[in-house]
Amino acid sequence: QQQVKQSPQSLIVQKGGISIINCAYENTAFDYFPWYQQFPGKGPALLIAIRPDVSEKKEGRFTISFNKSAKQFSLHIMDSQPGDSATYFCAARKAGTALIFGKGTTLSVSS
Amino acid sequence: GAGVSQSPSNKVTEKGKDVELRCDPISGHTALYWYRQRLGQGLEFLIYFQGNSAPDKSGLPSDRFSAERTGESVSTLTIQRTQQEDSAVYLCASSLNRNRGEQYFGPGTRLTVT
Repeated sequence: QQQVKQSPQSLIVQKGGISIINCAYENTAFDYFPWYQQFPGKGPALLIAIRPDVSEKKEGRFTISFNKSAKQFSLHIMDSQPGDSATYFCAARKAGTALIFGKGTTLSVSS
Repeated sequence: GAGVSQSPSNKVTEKGKDVELRCDPISGHTALYWYRQRLGQGLEFLIYFQGNSAPDKSGLPSDRFSAERTGESVSTLTIQRTQQEDSAVYLCASSLNRNRGEQYFGPGTRLTVT
């Protein structure tokens, strides 16, 4: 049973465009939803995270939108840049447990 | 301050050999996690330590896998009698405590079993 489903698997966006990656979860006990960015040969780096008591969180060009009733959350990257080309993972967890990750989205931003 | 460090960065071993992978968490972080990332895949949870509590071993794929952590410091992941399907990047992460969601990852150890 895949508890966190991520889509699309890959994404190509023009420089300056908006990148959108979606995740859906099943366990209503999840209370923390982070997004990680991973470059080749590196470990994942925490990008932005949200808790279910808010519907949106913005940090610079990165925004998480959270829909508790639909059990979905998404990452929006505004004004996408070639340096944003990486693999993005959504994750979820319930308090005191390890993260459960989506399978990842490979983003390519063309210049 | 220093981040999570892991060693070795790369390990090539023959099928059937045992390997040990090391993780040094961020100082002061009481929670430590091991994940496995197969090529082109997401991260699979393996094991989780929180202070002196019994570890959560629910993600270990077989009894060939084990891990230890002494107090709130270094952790070692051991894979016995390695198989080719064990080839992956093994990632370690730490967090301030079990209630803090933010996990910080090391660079990983790339294990290749030939």
